[in-house]
Amino acid sequence: NSKVIQTPRYLVKGQGQKAKMRCIPEKGHPVVFWYQQNKNNEFKFLINFQNQEVLQQIDMTEKRFSAECPSNSPCSLEIQSSEAGDSALYLCASTLGDRNAEQFFGPGTRLTVL
Amino acid sequence: GDSVTQKQGQVTLSEDDFLFINCTYSTTTYPTLLWYVQYLGQGPQLLLKVTTANNKGISRGFEATYDKGTTSFHLQKASVQESDSAVYFCALVASSGSWQLIFGSGTQLTVMP
Repeated sequence: NSKVIQTPRYLVKGQGQKAKMRCIPEKGHPVVFWYQQNKNNEFKFLINFQNQEVLQQIDMTEKRFSAECPSNSPCSLEIQSSEAGDSALYLCASTLGDRNAEQFFGPGTRLTVL
Repeated sequence: GDSVTQKQGQVTLSEDDFLFINCTYSTTTYPTLLWYVQYLGQGPQLLLKVTTANNKGISRGFEATYDKGTTSFHLQKASVQESDSAVYFCALVASSGSWQLIFGSGTQLTVMP
C-alpha cells in the first residue's frame, strides 16, 4: 500500500485565488511527480522533482503554478490564480527514480474552483 | 511520441465472470507497462508492472501480459468479485523526458452480485 501523504484532501477556491496543496513522498523516494486527473479520467503530467531539483515541467505549470520540494519539508504545488478549468484531482506520486521503478500515488487533493 | 489506447470504457460483469481488458501502446523504446486500479475517492493503486524482462505479472488474482508483436498488453482475472468494481488504467512509462506515466483513458468495471 502506498505511503504517499497528500493534504488537504479537498480544497475549494474562488476564481483568481491561490490554491496550495502538499505531498509527503514515501520515505526514501527521491523522485516526486505531480499529475492532474480531470473529471473525464484524463491524466496530465505537470512537473517532477529529483530531490529538490525540477526534472521536467509542462508549459502550463511553468506559467501558472509554483512548485517546490524542499529538503525535510513536504513538496508543494500552488496555483497562483485559480481558474474554473483547474478543478480536478491533483495526484502526487513518488518513486525510487529508476525508469523501471514503480510510481506510488497518494489519495490526491480534489480542487474545486467556483 | 508515446501513446496508450484503452478502448473499453465500461465493462459490466457478474461475480465469478472472467475479466479481460486490453490496451495497445506505441513507444520508441523497450516498454515498461503498468496497470493501476482506482477505487472511488482514492488515488490510483499499482496493480501490476510488466517489462521486457518479465513479460508477465501476477498479483491479487490479476494477471498482466504483453505482446511485443501486436504492441498490446492486457489485464485478466479468472473470477471477479463485487469488490473489484473500480476504474482500471493501463499506463506506459514515457521513453523521453523523466519517466512520467502516460495513461490510458480507463475502464470502469462494475461487478454485479
